Parts: sequence; C-alpha cells; structure tokens
Amino acid sequence: EPEVTQTPSHQVTQMGQEVILRCVPISNHLYFYWYRQILGQKVEFLVSFYNNEISEKSEIFDDQFSVERPDGSNFTLKIRSTKLEDSAMYFCASSSGTGNEKLFFGSGTQLSVL
Amino acid sequence: GESVGLHLPTLSVQEGDNSIINCAYSNSASDYFIWYKQESGKGPQFIIDIRSNMDKRQGQRVTVLLNKTVKHLSLQIAATQPGDSAVYFCAENMVSWGKLQFGAGTQVVVTP
Repeated sequence: EPEVTQTPSHQVTQMGQEVILRCVPISNHLYFYWYRQILGQKVEFLVSFYNNEISEKSEIFDDQFSVERPDGSNFTLKIRSTKLEDSAMYFCASSSGTGNEKLFFGSGTQLSVL
Repeated sequence: GESVGLHLPTLSVQEGDNSIINCAYSNSASDYFIWYKQESGKGPQFIIDIRSNMDKRQGQRVTVLLNKTVKHLSLQIAATQPGDSAVYFCAENMVSWGKLQFGAGTQVVVTP
C-alpha cells in the first residue's frame, strides 16, 4: 500500500537554528498538509498546500514557518528560527483531492529543540 | 472556540469483547468526521469516516455512529483484538477540506 514517508524520524536542534522537515507524499496525491502534536496534546493543523501554494494555515503557522514543494516528489516544512515550544511530532499528510478523499499521514518527525 | 473532545481517556477491554469509543463535537457546521488509530511511533491511520448526511457506516469490524442531534460520534470495534491496542482519535473537518480538528484521543488497551 502506498504511504507517506517522512525524514528524519527524529531531529534535534539548538534554539534559533533552522530546520527542514521532509516528506514524500503519495505519488498521485495533489493536496498536502502539515500537522503537529505536542507531547500529551491534540494533533493540530498547521497548513494545507495545493497547486504550489498555501490553501490555508492556522495561527500556529506564523512567519517562522514555510512550506515548499521543491520538486515533483518532496514537500518540506521549514522553521527558520526554532523555539523551545516548537518541540513536537510533526506529521505530513496527503490526499488525492477534496470532497471524498481521506488524508494519509506519515509516521512523523520528532523535533526536539534544546 | 468550538472543539472536538473525548469522554474517556483510557478504555480497557478484554480480547474478544466489543469496544465503544465516544467523541463529542460542538461545531454544527462540520460535515465530515473521521476516526484515526495511532500506534506507538506511527502516524494517524485512517479507520473509517462518515458524512453528516449519514448516521451509521460500517467497515470491517468497525462501525461509526453519528448523532447530530446531540453532536456525538462513536466508534464501535467488534471482537477487539490485541492489535487494536492504540490511541484512537476522532476528527472533524473544519470548513476547509483537510483542515481537521482532532480530539484528545482515547487509549484503548486490550487485555487477554
């Protein structure tokens, strides 16, 4: 079964450093998403992306965050200057379209900001 | 703001019994609901979904019930197996497709 893959599985960084989390969505999917889950809390929506632009973003997704689809297969989340509170599990998801298509999630990248 | 929440943080069930996981939602505008299963170290895995124009949907060993009158969603797992041990999340689609609002999660523990 096709799956969303994320790398790395665990990223440790120093506060103030930039990080890039990488995702390879399912190949025929057109809609891409990032979610995050702080330890012990709910999974939270960050951003949705379609046709090379952001469709919607949450209040969490401030100027420190950006997304990019640099080629036909990768979808990245960049945090420019990490803060302690950015420590969380970040999930990438993709779907084939809107209306009836479910979201498939990757296994996540655990980001630890020290 | 409106939110999705779960009644029971932990559910312990004996192998072979049926499980029922409950979820309350408060956004009457939501029209699509999903149940996800999350095993340790993995991302949310789709189980079953339901649209607001339905009140019941069945899958393999799972049934989702939607009661719009009281804004309640439940997941029933028949003949629970050890492999069903996981955290289960309900989620509702908030206006924009793919913008899911997740509940807090229920830990299901299957005992032999």
